[in-house]
Amino acid sequence: NAGVTQTPKFQVLKTGQSMTLQCAQDMNHEYMSWYRQDPGMGLRLIHYSVGAGITDQGEVPNGYNVSRSTTEDFPLRLLSAAPSQTSVYFCASSYSRDRGEPQHFGDGTRLSIL
Amino acid sequence: KNQVEQSPQSLIILEGKNCTLQCNYTVSPFSNLRWYKQDTGRGPVSLTIMTFSENTKSNGRYTATLDADTKQSSLHITASQLSDSASYICVVTDNQAGTALIFGKGTTLSVSS
Repeated sequence: NAGVTQTPKFQVLKTGQSMTLQCAQDMNHEYMSWYRQDPGMGLRLIHYSVGAGITDQGEVPNGYNVSRSTTEDFPLRLLSAAPSQTSVYFCASSYSRDRGEPQHFGDGTRLSIL
Repeated sequence: KNQVEQSPQSLIILEGKNCTLQCNYTVSPFSNLRWYKQDTGRGPVSLTIMTFSENTKSNGRYTATLDADTKQSSLHITASQLSDSASYICVVTDNQAGTALIFGKGTTLSVSS
């Protein structure tokens, strides 16, 4: 059982480049979300989705886009990379937004913007 | 602003010893409090989830307690092992902010032999 799979694991970009971080889950979870983790800070929510075709903004959405065309996949797009977006990005999924169920996290994508 | 504060920031203990990590929060009302373990280079993994009406919950050598009146939680690790070396993150669900999860910064635990 793969759980939540994130690709790539590492990426280096130049300022202004765009890219897509991939996230896939095989648990038939409706709720999926993207977080960023920066040194000395707690995880912060970027975007989330409560089901296919439905997305919404989190705490720090600027500079990122998402879409949810299938239950399994929830890609995160960086439109024009900036050094401030250097971070570790985590995708997570659960059956619902919050019914007291644990969120399952992927192992992250480590992104450096030069 | 709703916050989750964890202490200590880091902790070093000898293998086999017990330790307790603290979490204080100002989130109110909240629906549940979670503890996650995050190994270096990996994503967080759920240890326990407690609702506001629960006082304690165990998961093997990990025992979480919750005092909703004082808005404090603790995670007690018994008979520590080298594999317990990780960051432990306290997370509180904000019932008012659309059930948003508020993450603490974590406590980094190092277990040495």
